[in-house]
Amino acid sequence: EVQLVESGGGLVKPGGSLRLSCAASGFTFSDYRMNWVRQAPGKGLEWVSCIASGSTYTHYAVSVKGRFTISRDNAKNSLYLQMNGLRVEDTALYFCARTRSGGYLDLWGKGTTVTVSS
Amino acid sequence: QSVLTQPPSVSAAPGQKVTISCSGSSSNIGNNYVSWYQQFSVTAPKLLIHENNKRPSGIPDRFSGSKSGTSATLDITGLQTGDEADYYCAAWDSSLSAVIFGGGTKLTVL
Repeated sequence: EVQLVESGGGLVKPGGSLRLSCAASGFTFSDYRMNWVRQAPGKGLEWVSCIASGSTYTHYAVSVKGRFTISRDNAKNSLYLQMNGLRVEDTALYFCARTRSGGYLDLWGKGTTVTVSS
Repeated sequence: QSVLTQPPSVSAAPGQKVTISCSGSSSNIGNNYVSWYQQFSVTAPKLLIHENNKRPSGIPDRFSGSKSGTSATLDITGLQTGDEADYYCAAWDSSLSAVIFGGGTKLTVL
């Protein structure tokens, strides 16, 4: 089955760190650019970051640049998001999503919840 | 504040047609493809339209997309109560080097 499964969410204090993972299966992971997208409670979708299929480039939203690092391990079919210096406003459901050649996100995981609170 | 502007809400009766607009600029919609997503409550978004007007397999032809200049629209015809959801437009922004989403539009089928 073609799917993405996120993990690693949890409760963390402001200033803390968390590492999210996304396990891909059912497709050739190394062929695709991958993304993290988040949704704060009661809010809309916010793109966080993307990484090229071969990790040759990464891009970040202004809101997370310098604090978050996206990476991938194609041998393990896995995508990661290292989140440092977490803020209350980073509280959200974090989705990983696959990019197709037209730039659209065609496959999404169910998400993992990150709560930043003291 | 989202770089892509959508109406916060739209509504229409069952069987009717609704149009959701998405306004951007030359750095995003004007020079890149638009995609549309449907989201029920807080679940994984579902791709409805890609590359401005293409439907993935399994998406009914009641859903259609178009783009003109720096704006895009999603049309839903033959509305059903099951269409009640949040709808988001998205595009790559070449100036920001980022994917940008519209703020989302809540569809109510009266």
